Amino acid sequence: SAVISQKPSRDICQRGTSLTIQCQVDSQVTMMFWYRQQPGQSLTLIATANQGSEATYESGFVIDKFPISRPNLTFSTLTVSNMSPEDSSIYLCSVATSGRWADTQYFGPGTRLTVL
Amino acid sequence: QKEVEQDPGPLSVPEGAIVSLNCTYSNSAFQYFMWYRQYSRKGPELLMYTYSSGNKEDGRFTAQVDKSSKYISLFIRDSQPSDSATYLCAMSGDTDKLIFGTGTRLQVFP
Repeated sequence: SAVISQKPSRDICQRGTSLTIQCQVDSQVTMMFWYRQQPGQSLTLIATANQGSEATYESGFVIDKFPISRPNLTFSTLTVSNMSPEDSSIYLCSVATSGRWADTQYFGPGTRLTVL
Repeated sequence: QKEVEQDPGPLSVPEGAIVSLNCTYSNSAFQYFMWYRQYSRKGPELLMYTYSSGNKEDGRFTAQVDKSSKYISLFIRDSQPSDSATYLCAMSGDTDKLIFGTGTRLQVFP
């Protein structure tokens, strides 16, 4: 298993500003992911954070809006840029502890973001 | 049409009841089927994992997969108030990308 922490746990931000969310894992992991969980909607994958290279983004998500860094095997950041109220959501970091993602994904507690 | 459909509930049952949670899906390439439990203000935690069709039992929990009907179920026996949470189904195929349902909110009252 893996223990994941996220900072901040919640924040209230003004329209047009940016917020960087940190994800820290207690052990080195193969894969790190960022998800968005909006009220009444499915947990949606934003991108896969790749160590040492650019993140891989899912359809509908772009690097200019959600820049991601992963400087090592235990840490990643997601920035939500130029925020609007539509970005209000819970953002979750997830890790996979083996090469097979399906049954080895663990989630952090999430960052609850409100944009005014 | 969504790839994965899940009734959002809420589902309210008395303690000790048998709970049935279900998801349907449209992508026949899905091979891996998961159930996650998410308590309020927490991240999802993996509860059950099944590969392909069949049943899997773990304590009070049983996961069933019927690939011919594209239908998966999670049964909770002798439900407890501590089972009150949102249950998310998730599935993946060759790409390993997880596709989630919207979650079913379950409340077990004493």
